[in-house]
Amino acid sequence: DGGITQSPKYLFRKEGQNVTLSCEQNLNHDAMYWYRQDPGQGLRLIYYSQIVNDFQKGDIAEGYSVSREKKESFPLTVTSAQKNPTAFYLCASSHGGYNEQFFGPGTRLTVL
Amino acid sequence: AQTVTQSQPEMSVQEAETVTLSCTYDTSENNYYLFWYKQPPSRQMILVIRQEAYKQQNATENRFSVNFQKAAKSFSLKISDSQLGDTAMYFCALWRYGGSQGNLIFGKGTKLSVKP
Repeated sequence: DGGITQSPKYLFRKEGQNVTLSCEQNLNHDAMYWYRQDPGQGLRLIYYSQIVNDFQKGDIAEGYSVSREKKESFPLTVTSAQKNPTAFYLCASSHGGYNEQFFGPGTRLTVL
Repeated sequence: AQTVTQSQPEMSVQEAETVTLSCTYDTSENNYYLFWYKQPPSRQMILVIRQEAYKQQNATENRFSVNFQKAAKSFSLKISDSQLGDTAMYFCALWRYGGSQGNLIFGKGTKLSVKP
């Protein structure tokens, strides 16, 4: 079945540690996105990539990093520089442009 | 700056009745795209409906329809014959142009509860 997978579903991190969230898609989509969701804030764009080996900062990129070495994969690293990383993280992919974005099931990150 | 505003944080409706969720937006573009996404308690985001700004006809998808008022920059979602499975967060989103690469900007959402 085609779709987007995110792992892990729940992730706990100690303060000062970097952590990487996985996002994989087998929909043959060119574009991939990372969003952060906080209560009452809706979804905010962290990073997006329209093509392999290229990515752009979104509205809240500080404290995050990404890579796009393969079309299928778009991992997000939450660094120790992110001051308030506890949130729900959603990955999405699309054919690019204004086409529908398909979302993964999300990862809940908690900093202890 | 492009913005999306959903002024109703929470709404409720009785099963089988009709409910309308509001969304207003601001953009300087003449051609753009608008979306409604649904996020049920499972937190899986699902596309409900999409509208191209150059089309005057309002989009419909089964029980879901929109009222697109371009001059007023309004994009409301009407859910007819509400079902318990419609209980979810609903997000309005605007396709935002950014150079050669664009992306979506979301409103803060409306939490809809369908009551039996």
